[in-house]
Amino acid sequence: DQQVKQNSPSLSVQEGRISILNCDYTNSMFDYFLWYKKYPAEGPTFLISISSIKDKNEDGRFTVFLNKSAKHLSLHIVPSQPGDSAVYFCAANRDDKIIFGKGTRLHILP
Amino acid sequence: DAGVIQSPRHEVTEMGQEVTLRCKPISGHDYLFWYRQTMMRGLELLIYFNNNVPIDDSGMPEDRFSAKMPNASFSTLKIQPSEPRDSAVYFCASSFGGAAYNEQFFGPGTRLTVL
Repeated sequence: DQQVKQNSPSLSVQEGRISILNCDYTNSMFDYFLWYKKYPAEGPTFLISISSIKDKNEDGRFTVFLNKSAKHLSLHIVPSQPGDSAVYFCAANRDDKIIFGKGTRLHILP
Repeated sequence: DAGVIQSPRHEVTEMGQEVTLRCKPISGHDYLFWYRQTMMRGLELLIYFNNNVPIDDSGMPEDRFSAKMPNASFSTLKIQPSEPRDSAVYFCASSFGGAAYNEQFFGPGTRLTVL
């Protein structure tokens, strides 16, 4: 049972445009959400997070939006750059565990 | 700091063999996590330790899998006997403090292939 769902396995975006990665979750008890980024042959690295008491968190080109009523969050990357090509994992925290989605592969096109 | 260190980086073995994956967490971190990544299931938590004590092993797929953390700087994940369906990338991660609000640092992973 996937508690964190990333329904788009891949996404292609033109360089300079906005990339929007989506994530849905089923457990309303999650209190913290995270995005991790993964390059090939490397481990995931933390990108940005948001507490369940907020609806937006921004860090440079990266903004995460949380819609608790819809149990949905999204990651916006503006503007998209070639180095953003990677797999992005949405994750949710409860207690001491993080539950990850399956990931979305983002391709930034020149 | 060297980050989380995992060895080996690649492991190819035959079905039925014992496999041992190793992890050295970041010094000072008190939580250690083992994950497995597959195409079908994504990144799933297998087990995690706090201060060398296993806290939750509910993600361990079956009795063929076992994990130990004999001290704060070393952990192993053992599969015995291995099966082709165990083929995956196994990640170790560590953090200071639990997963709640604390960044987990991942190692580069061990790619396991069971023939």
